Amino acid sequence: SQQGEEDPQALSIQEGENATMNCSYKTSINNLQWYRQNSGRGLVHLILIRSNEREKHSGRLRVTLDTSKKSSSLLITASRAADTASYFCATDPPGQAGTALIFGKGTTLSVSS
Amino acid sequence: EPEVTQTPSHQVTQMGQEVILRCVPISNHLYFYWYRQILGQKVEFLVSFYNNEISEKSEIFDDQFSVERPDGSNFTLKIRSTKLEDSAMYFCASSLPRARASYGYTFGSGTRLTVV
Repeated sequence: SQQGEEDPQALSIQEGENATMNCSYKTSINNLQWYRQNSGRGLVHLILIRSNEREKHSGRLRVTLDTSKKSSSLLITASRAADTASYFCATDPPGQAGTALIFGKGTTLSVSS
Repeated sequence: EPEVTQTPSHQVTQMGQEVILRCVPISNHLYFYWYRQILGQKVEFLVSFYNNEISEKSEIFDDQFSVERPDGSNFTLKIRSTKLEDSAMYFCASSLPRARASYGYTFGSGTRLTVV
């Protein structure tokens, strides 16, 4: 089954606007993580939210988690051109540590100045 | 800030050849992983490694793949006989045990493998 499906697939906004990306998943999780990937580069961990948390902030990032709906959202406030990248949610299932993260297909964000 | 280092950044190989992708995880991390990303597609899990043995592997990780931690610092992925469809970006990652992890996994910058 697919885990961590993001929407929209692509998002184009102007600098200064907020960007919201959503992620849905199907099975239980221990935590949910958001990663960023600049074109052709590695994955950079942005924020982790545990299954017993509902909201978390880190700088201009705000993540929410609704385990009853099996969904999460990532909000980037006051976006900058440098935020242009692909953003992925990844679910960490329950069970022993070292279990695979399951990534979604990602949202490609373009921020124009 | 500690980094996961991967070498080489790009490797081109002939179909049927063996390749070894190398990674140096963060020194105090205990779990090590390989993921791959075919161009334009999602990041896929290959294998996780803990305490000198495979902890979990996906269907992709068949007999052509193997992992090794030959010394205290390196973590390698070997593909014995490469196929065209092995062309992808391969990412190494490492993490602490979940109980102590509040900041997710640390990924390397990847090795782009091109099989011709």
